[in-house]
Amino acid sequence: AQSVTQLDSQVPVFEEAPVELRCNYSSSVSVYLFWYVQYPNQGLQLLLKYLSGSTLVESINGFEAEFNKSQTSFHLRKPSVHISDTAEYFCAVKKGGSQGNLIFGKGTKLSVKP
Amino acid sequence: DTGVSQDPRHKITKRGQNVTFRCDPISEHNRLYWYRQTLGQGPEFLTYFQNEAQLEKSRLLSDRFSAERPKGSFSTLEIQRTEQGDSAMYLCASSPSAPGELFFGEGSRLTVL
Repeated sequence: AQSVTQLDSQVPVFEEAPVELRCNYSSSVSVYLFWYVQYPNQGLQLLLKYLSGSTLVESINGFEAEFNKSQTSFHLRKPSVHISDTAEYFCAVKKGGSQGNLIFGKGTKLSVKP
Repeated sequence: DTGVSQDPRHKITKRGQNVTFRCDPISEHNRLYWYRQTLGQGPEFLTYFQNEAQLEKSRLLSDRFSAERPKGSFSTLEIQRTEQGDSAMYLCASSPSAPGELFFGEGSRLTVL
């Protein structure tokens, strides 16, 4: 069975600083990987996803994540954060080729301070 | 608005009462999912439909919980004899096809007094 570990429950950073939100998964089979973001009082939104191909995936707002099969990781990075990036970020995994559900991590709260 | 919609957004009930939540997925999506999210936790999978067929149920879905999707469009999640431990945000999501992403609604928050 798949599982997801987000190592940091809270990450405080200053505006314009770089950030990395860590995600590790466990699975004996190929997987699809996702990062979702939840802004205050809003629903979950997809930030980016890895299905196949290039191991580096990017979002439209400057986030990127790299699939590392050997380390079973899918860490999320941004070189310079903005106040508006303050949100909770969830890593999720799905069995490759599966029509089933996503398994989510517990989330990381990113707080960007001026 | 053509996103996933959920109703009601908030429900406060007394222990022992029954509650029902409704989810309207994005119209062309044939897969529909229910998740539960409690404070400090990520969403936990409850159940999943492909069209009107309920294909998977989590062990979290006790006998007091039942979900339906009678015509393969909207879905309902009913909780009978609510308990305080049922207090959570209930999330609905839909998906067009594997390995597609899930599109989430804003959730229905349940508070059991």
